[in-house]
Amino acid sequence: EAGVTQSPTHLIKTRGQQATLRCSPISGHTSVYWYQQALGLGLQFLLWYDEGEERNRGNFPPRFSGRQFPNYSSELNVNALELEDSALYLCASTPPGTIFDQYFGAGTRLSVL
Amino acid sequence: GDSVTQMEGPVTLSEEAFLTINCTYTATGYPSLFWYVQYPGEGLQLLLKATKADDKGSNKGFEATYRKETTSFHLEKGSVQVSDSAVYFCALTSSSGNTPLVFGKGTRLSVIA
Repeated sequence: EAGVTQSPTHLIKTRGQQATLRCSPISGHTSVYWYQQALGLGLQFLLWYDEGEERNRGNFPPRFSGRQFPNYSSELNVNALELEDSALYLCASTPPGTIFDQYFGAGTRLSVL
Repeated sequence: GDSVTQMEGPVTLSEEAFLTINCTYTATGYPSLFWYVQYPGEGLQLLLKATKADDKGSNKGFEATYRKETTSFHLEKGSVQVSDSAVYFCALTSSSGNTPLVFGKGTRLSVIA
């Protein structure tokens, strides 16, 4: 069974540009979660999507946005990139009805120059 | 709000040494508690969990006991191996299931032969 897959593995952008990160959950999983792992800050919750709807949002500015598609895959968009957006972005998924036992992808490393 | 505090790393141990990584939490209600592990270049993997007070989670020789009286969930292993070198994250989620995981900042463990 395929795990959570994220693309691209690495992404290099410059300040002010937009970045789009993608996540495919495990087959049968309907919830997707996005986290930011910045150096020294641990994992910070960004967004939670379930059945195509945004369920919860972390303490991030509106330039961080996303969506979930009918096949449950998800995109994270970061507009007007800033240097401090450089981080590892992790996606996780869970099956219907639970937010326990989140399964994580390997992440997308975003570097903003 | 809910929070997790874990011991600062890095922790360096010799092979076969005893490991303890401390984790304490602040939360309303009765959270579920988790330990995740992140091996170099990979995403997070669920290591073990406990969903109620006095539960003991265990996996791969690691153990942690949910202590409500001390709001703690310390990770232990009796004899570490080089392959245990990784970053370990303590996390919680509320019993209502309406909030995503809240992570500690992670503790880097290096085991030397």
